[in-house]
Amino acid sequence: DTAVSQTPKYLVTQMGNDKSIKCEQNLGHDTMYWYKQDSKKFLKIMFSYNNKELIINETVPNRFSPKSPDKAHLNLHINSLELGDSAVYFCASSGTGTYGYTFGSGTRLTVV
Amino acid sequence: GQSLEQPSEVTAVEGAIVQINCTYQTSGFYGLSWYQQHDGGAPTFLSYNALDGLEETGRFSSFLSRSDSYGYLLLQELQMKDSASYFCAVSTGGFKTIFGAGTRLFVKA
Repeated sequence: DTAVSQTPKYLVTQMGNDKSIKCEQNLGHDTMYWYKQDSKKFLKIMFSYNNKELIINETVPNRFSPKSPDKAHLNLHINSLELGDSAVYFCASSGTGTYGYTFGSGTRLTVV
Repeated sequence: GQSLEQPSEVTAVEGAIVQINCTYQTSGFYGLSWYQQHDGGAPTFLSYNALDGLEETGRFSSFLSRSDSYGYLLLQELQMKDSASYFCAVSTGGFKTIFGAGTRLFVKA
């Protein structure tokens, strides 16, 4: 019954590798987001999709590429991983007429 | 630039009342939200204020003054389980929400 689910929960990988994180929501929300939380717990928006259309694309290296096959899914692919990419990545969703975001449980990415 | 300021840490005693302040400077404003995040967990939505005044939800209340670009989260009857980080966040329009750096609340017995 998880509202926003992300996989994997933990990801440990070597520099230079390519990895993907998947997110799915069953809330019927129209908008989905990727946020990055660094070691100081600062939450920064990366991308947002509304009905599969990219609407927010913050200053993020183009090694990061989101993809939304439908409005219930938002994936994040990262190429050529760097040490500085180590963080917790949260997927979130929001719906028209509702307040606030519902976050997934996060993916802790560690690049070694 | 856009900024949200909130204290980095607050400590209070179980059963007490604590207020976490947030001041913001943003290019747009649609509303102020508060989120709770326990260590290792996900942020959880607590409240949303679009208009001036106080919103109460159980032990938690949130206040907004748009003219002062200021809001606060009030936690009453503190419990140990309230120990967490609390984030204020401003919806600036265009589906964009900016988060503050978070306030770490420590509740002592």
